[in-house]
Amino acid sequence: QKEVEQDPGPLSVPEGAIVSLNCTYSNSAFQYFMWYRQYSRKGPELLMYTYSSGNKEDGRFTAQVDKSSKYISLFIRDSQPSDSATYLCAIRRIGGQNFVFGPGTRLSVLP
Amino acid sequence: EAGVTQFPSHSVIEKGQTVTLRCDPISGHDNLYWYRRVMGKEIKFLLHFVKESKQDESGMPNNRFLAERTGGTYSTLKVQPAELEDSGVYFCASSQVDTQYFGPGTRLTVL
Repeated sequence: QKEVEQDPGPLSVPEGAIVSLNCTYSNSAFQYFMWYRQYSRKGPELLMYTYSSGNKEDGRFTAQVDKSSKYISLFIRDSQPSDSATYLCAIRRIGGQNFVFGPGTRLSVLP
Repeated sequence: EAGVTQFPSHSVIEKGQTVTLRCDPISGHDNLYWYRRVMGKEIKFLLHFVKESKQDESGMPNNRFLAERTGGTYSTLKVQPAELEDSGVYFCASSQVDTQYFGPGTRLTVL
């Protein structure tokens, strides 16, 4: 079993839709959660990060963590064509430094 | 403030040749990381420097890969001799505390 699982998509939605992107992880030692956005031929760009269970909001983006279920989500409200990219979850163990990445979900927001 | 930069952006070499990738982290960031994404797979950790010292090199695939960070500033990753399976995108990231900022990557193709 992979340490971090993520549906690779592709996921296509109409402009304005609410998008839900999800990752599951297997190791309860993972405690630091990040979401990156990666446009084609670019490096990953940090979107959001959180340590704790619950919701964290930043503009149109909400990160949700449920440690009891080992499940993390990223919600995008009022999605825009410019949101079309690959979204990567990245998780780190307590006391660790390197991140374990999910394979990424490719999102297309259609005008 | 300049972000993480990587050079070259693309490299095409033949099997058995040597290639050196360079990463310039964000100024003042003591932590520098190398990651790699091979075709169809997730981004995988290679190694982590704190200043000039290798903190964790558990992700280095074999002894054909050599990373250095002389003076604790920029880092190089040398592959010698390159094999076909080394093809992929090599990312560098830097951080001061927890949040890692990624460079655009070097796309390596070994023929």
